[in-house]
Amino acid sequence: KAGVTQTPRYLIKTRGQQVTLSCSPISGHRSVSWYQQTPGQGLQFLFEYFSETQRNKGNFPGRFSGRQFSNSRSEMNVSTLELGDSALYLCASSPGQGGSEQYFGPGTRLTVT
Amino acid sequence: GEDVEQSLFLSVREGDSSVINCTYTDSSSTYLYWYKQEPGAGLQLLTYIFSNMDMKQDQRLTVLLNKKDKHLSLRIADTQTGDSAIYFCAEIYYNQGGKLIFGQGTELSVKP
Repeated sequence: KAGVTQTPRYLIKTRGQQVTLSCSPISGHRSVSWYQQTPGQGLQFLFEYFSETQRNKGNFPGRFSGRQFSNSRSEMNVSTLELGDSALYLCASSPGQGGSEQYFGPGTRLTVT
Repeated sequence: GEDVEQSLFLSVREGDSSVINCTYTDSSSTYLYWYKQEPGAGLQLLTYIFSNMDMKQDQRLTVLLNKKDKHLSLRIADTQTGDSAIYFCAEIYYNQGGKLIFGQGTELSVKP
């Protein structure tokens, strides 16, 4: 079974621009969560989607948004990029709501200049 | 409150056992996890334990859970240089969906 895939793997953007990251969960998994990883703050929860509904949201500004499609694929969008948004963005896939097994993708490395 | 604490560094010799420790604060946690992250990579799920268990063994990995002290440990037997990585402890609250709360990570260095 293929693992979690994330595209693109690397991205360089300029302050003020917006970006969209994509995540395809493991086949059959219906829950997708997003995390931001930075050296200073560590791993922080962004949001979780299950069956196209956002179930939970972390403490991030409204510039961070996401959605999930009927095939469980998910996208997250960051508008008006700031230098501090430079991070590794990780997506996790789980079979169900609050599932015991959460598998992560390789991440998207976003650099904001 | 939501808080998971880990020591930052651990250095061991190849062939020795490694023990990585973690403490958490919320007794309502349902599952507790260990993830491994190698440089430039995502998180690899190593193992997880349900909160009503005391121990789980999976090949070279042994997880011990002390609910009274809110203490979780990961023991790696016969540690190899390929085990060098950052190890993250995480907990999940069932009433908050699938939100994982992570520790800061423990960097394991295995010397030949």
